Amino acid sequence: DQQVKQNSPSLSVQEGRISILNCDYTNSMFDYFLWYKKYPAEGPTFLISISSIKDKNEDGRFTVFLNKSAKHLSLHIVPSQPGDSAVYFCAASFSYSGGGADGLTFGKGTHLIIQP
Amino acid sequence: KAGVTQTPRYLIKTRGQQVTLSCSPISGHRSVSWYQQTPGQGLQFLFEYFSETQRNKGNFPGRFSGRQFSNSRSEMNVSTLELGDSALYLCASSLGTGARNEKLFFGSGTQLSVL
Repeated sequence: DQQVKQNSPSLSVQEGRISILNCDYTNSMFDYFLWYKKYPAEGPTFLISISSIKDKNEDGRFTVFLNKSAKHLSLHIVPSQPGDSAVYFCAASFSYSGGGADGLTFGKGTHLIIQP
Repeated sequence: KAGVTQTPRYLIKTRGQQVTLSCSPISGHRSVSWYQQTPGQGLQFLFEYFSETQRNKGNFPGRFSGRQFSNSRSEMNVSTLELGDSALYLCASSLGTGARNEKLFFGSGTQLSVL
């Protein structure tokens, strides 16, 4: 049973526009959420995170929004740039699991393609 | 500062064989986690080692095992390989403080193909 779902396998966005990547989760015990970015032949790299006590976190062009009642989070990239083309993974973790390195639950990823 | 190093990059094995993958974490990092990435299941947590002890474990059969050495380097072993074990195996290192916002740093992975 997929506890973290990214329902769009791919997303195509024009350069300069906003990219919105979505993620839904089913387990209400998740209280920390992260986004990772992955280029081909490389490991995922951390992008941005949000704790469940917040509903928004911003870092430059990247903003993550959390809607706890809907069990939904989204990543906004504004403006989108060609270098943003990559696979984006949403991940979640529990408090009791002891920390950021303990067993993140990942979604299957969304392949973002930025078109010139 | 060198990143997370995984060897080998590619491996081809046949069913029934066993395989050992290696991971060298970032210097100073004491926690090493292993993940399996497949097209169908995405990234799935295998286990985490900290100070030579398995601290956390995912939902994989006992054929998947690991260990960590005193220098924090880690190995992962898969015995009696099955076709479904074909995947990208990713290693991630972190300081291991247990802080909620502690970042994982991933290696480039080992691509295992089981024929």
